[in-house]
Amino acid sequence: DQQVKQNSPSLSVQEGRISILNCDYTNSMFDYFLWYKKYPAEGPTFLISISSIKDKNEDGRFTVFLNKSAKHLSLHIVPSQPGDSAVYFCAASVKGGGADGLTFGKGTHLIIQP
Amino acid sequence: NAGVTQTPKFRVLKTGQSMTLLCAQDMNHEYMYWYRQDPGMGLRLIHYSVGEGTTAKGEVPDGYNVSRLKKQNFLLGLESAAPSQTSVYFCASSQVYEQFFGPGTRLTVL
Repeated sequence: DQQVKQNSPSLSVQEGRISILNCDYTNSMFDYFLWYKKYPAEGPTFLISISSIKDKNEDGRFTVFLNKSAKHLSLHIVPSQPGDSAVYFCAASVKGGGADGLTFGKGTHLIIQP
Repeated sequence: NAGVTQTPKFRVLKTGQSMTLLCAQDMNHEYMYWYRQDPGMGLRLIHYSVGEGTTAKGEVPDGYNVSRLKKQNFLLGLESAAPSQTSVYFCASSQVYEQFFGPGTRLTVL
């Protein structure tokens, strides 16, 4: 059973507009959420994270929103740039500082069109 | 500061052969992880370590073994490779939640 779900395999957005990537989770023990970006033939790179005690975290063009009651989080990228074209993975960690590893969604392929 | 490095980058094995993938990190992180990524799938945790000399099973541990004899190194072994182990393998390390990933090893088992 998938505990972290990214229901959109791909998303196409025009350059300069907002990109919104969504993620749902089922495990109530998750207390920390992360977004990773991955280019082809490279390892994932950390983008932004949010603790379950917060509902928003912002870093430059990237903002992550967390709705605990709905078990839903989203990543907003504003404005979208060509270099943002990549696969984005949502990941979650249970309580304990992350030692037990992350549970990943299947990813969303974001395509930024000029 | 190289971060997380993985050796080799590519490998082709025949069914039944064995091999070891090496992961090294220079960030003095306590935790290290091995994941595999298959087409259309997210990363799935194979094994992990919370410190030198420790290992634990992740979501998909069958057919793999690991060792963490030194804090900076985490080895992933395949004793008898099977075609189902064709995948891209990523190593990661962390001190808390944020994990830093290596570039990956693409393994094909024929």
